[in-house]
Amino acid sequence: EAQVTQNPRYLITVTGKKLTVTCSQNMNHEYMSWYRQDPGLGLRQIYYSMNVEVTDKGDVPEGYKVSRKEKRNFPLILESPSPNQTSLYFCASTTGGAKSEQFFGPGTRLTVL
Amino acid sequence: GQNIDQPTEMTATEGAIVQINCTYQTSGFNGLFWYQQHAGEAPTFLSYNVLDGLEEKGRFSSFLSRSKGYSYLLLKELQMKDSASYLCAVRDSTGGYNKLIFGAGTRLAVHP
Repeated sequence: EAQVTQNPRYLITVTGKKLTVTCSQNMNHEYMSWYRQDPGLGLRQIYYSMNVEVTDKGDVPEGYKVSRKEKRNFPLILESPSPNQTSLYFCASTTGGAKSEQFFGPGTRLTVL
Repeated sequence: GQNIDQPTEMTATEGAIVQINCTYQTSGFNGLFWYQQHAGEAPTFLSYNVLDGLEEKGRFSSFLSRSKGYSYLLLKELQMKDSASYLCAVRDSTGGYNKLIFGAGTRLAVHP
């Protein structure tokens, strides 16, 4: 089954404790993204990757890091989480071609105390 | 700059028709998407328009006018399960890569 998986689905942590949210896709897509979703603000892109070892900042990259060592995985790293990073996070994988349809992972609800 | 506007909330009656509007401003327009998102779940793809006109897909249709920077999503024969948020997203190709810019979403409540 074609899918995007994220782990963990829920996480409560404390300020300053490094964490990683994993993302994996089995569709061989080159383009992957991370978004955060906050009430009233919609989905905002944090980072994206156009291929292995190619990553770039989205609209709200501050406080986040990513890596793309292999095509299927695109982890999101918070080196020193802060309460303003409490949010719902989605990883997405995009088909190629003219349509470029995005497939979203199930989401990770992060709370930083 | 880039801006996408859609109503925050709408209500409708089961069996009726509802139209959710979206207006946008972007320099590198290269397609418009509609997604459905149930509370606490991931967005799922509904429709894609890149040329002017209406795209029909079962109970859902989406319209695009590029000259007016305007799209709408039309939902017919509403069902209770259609209660969800509907996200308008514009693909912007400025800079040589495709980026999706999302509106804040329209929360639709369908009541009996």
